[in-house]
Amino acid sequence: QLQLQESGPGLVRPSETLSLTCTVSRASVSENKHYWAWIRQPPGKGLEWIGSTHHSGTAHYNPSLKTRVSISVDTSKNSFSLRLTSATATDTAVYYCARFTRGFDSWAQGTLVTVSS
Amino acid sequence: SYVVTQPPSVSVAPGQTARITCGGYNIAAKYVHWYQQKTGQAPVLVLYDDSDRPSGIPERFYGSNSANTATLTISRVEAGDEADYFCQVWESNTDDPHVIFGGGTKLTVL
Repeated sequence: QLQLQESGPGLVRPSETLSLTCTVSRASVSENKHYWAWIRQPPGKGLEWIGSTHHSGTAHYNPSLKTRVSISVDTSKNSFSLRLTSATATDTAVYYCARFTRGFDSWAQGTLVTVSS
Repeated sequence: SYVVTQPPSVSVAPGQTARITCGGYNIAAKYVHWYQQKTGQAPVLVLYDDSDRPSGIPERFYGSNSANTATLTISRVEAGDEADYFCQVWESNTDDPHVIFGGGTKLTVL
């Protein structure tokens, strides 16, 4: 069964870049029928989609974040990564990586990232 | 921009039927996916493409989508169904296609 595991710093300084990686096990990021996504959830709030990418290079981003975000796939490492620049306290959230096929059908456990000095 | 609206909360007694709505303009033209999130856990897909269930999801969970409202129905509600439920659509009628989540509905089992 597919496994997703996030990794990256749990604390980011304001104005710096938030970077996370999602390692995929028991499936390939190169499968054509899947997109790979990042979704976040501020404490006590709802889900916010950050963006999704396909191994072909196609990517879609949340319009409210697109000037600061990039998501890329690394087929050699079977992983995909998130970069969010110019972080502020409002970026503090649990970040999930997930696979999209028909709906987001697999999710990682989530990792809390706090933006604070 | 497209907006989907969910009621903040729904309460139901055990054994009864819970209905959670997701409203949006002509939402019937879109596929709606539903997620269940229990406290402290990652969301789980419970319905995709309006009414299809992933493997392992009980038949008590079913969905419909008509006109301006999609509905997740949970029959014979159990205590273990208490969770937040989110609907999700793909907005393609724009230069910037993107995913939209509803604000979430907290289901309380009385």
